[in-house]
Amino acid sequence: GENVEQHPSTLSVQEGDSAVIKCTYSDSASNYFPWYKQELGKRPQLIIDIRSNVGEKKDQRIAVTLNKTAKHFSLHITETQPEDSAVYFCAARPDTGNQFYFGTGTSLTVIP
Amino acid sequence: KAGVTQTPRYLIKTRGQQVTLSCSPISGHRSVSWYQQTPGQGLQFLFEYFSETQRNKGNFPGRFSGRQFSNSRSEMNVSTLELGDSALYLCASSLWGTGSNEQFFGPGTRLTVL
Repeated sequence: GENVEQHPSTLSVQEGDSAVIKCTYSDSASNYFPWYKQELGKRPQLIIDIRSNVGEKKDQRIAVTLNKTAKHFSLHITETQPEDSAVYFCAARPDTGNQFYFGTGTSLTVIP
Repeated sequence: KAGVTQTPRYLIKTRGQQVTLSCSPISGHRSVSWYQQTPGQGLQFLFEYFSETQRNKGNFPGRFSGRQFSNSRSEMNVSTLELGDSALYLCASSLWGTGSNEQFFGPGTRLTVL
């Protein structure tokens, strides 16, 4: 089955700096890659996603890039703010069904 | 539109007992997935149901089971509870087969096994 690895597990940045979180996947059949943000005590919320036929997608301060050949995708957050502090999860979904495989999460802390 | 709901929100059980968790998806969503979340392990896939059929199953022992009803509501059951089953159990619903990919998560059920 699919295996998703996520790095780093923890990340601290100064407010205003950029943060990058990287994930790799193993199944070349995966075609959908969402990123979720989970604040303490809350449910995961989708923040951005990308399909395999697209190399990059942006939404204001957040962007995701996908390299299908290398089987890795990354989340980029620019101009970080304290409210960006949360745990971020990447996921991959093979085209064989609606089963999502998640990374182990990155705890991001933005220092004011 | 109401979001995904889960009941109960908190549960305390002892080893050997069994537990049933419930999930009500967003209206119109026919795909319901269940995940176990533990510190350091992220979200681990348990199973996915669509139109009352289990379509996918994760790598969990047979003590973990589930079902889906005709109204798309889903339940998961854990029998013979072990200490290691303590976790946050999340369900997520999605519109499968309509071109939409997003999964919407419920608030979770926090299960503590003593």
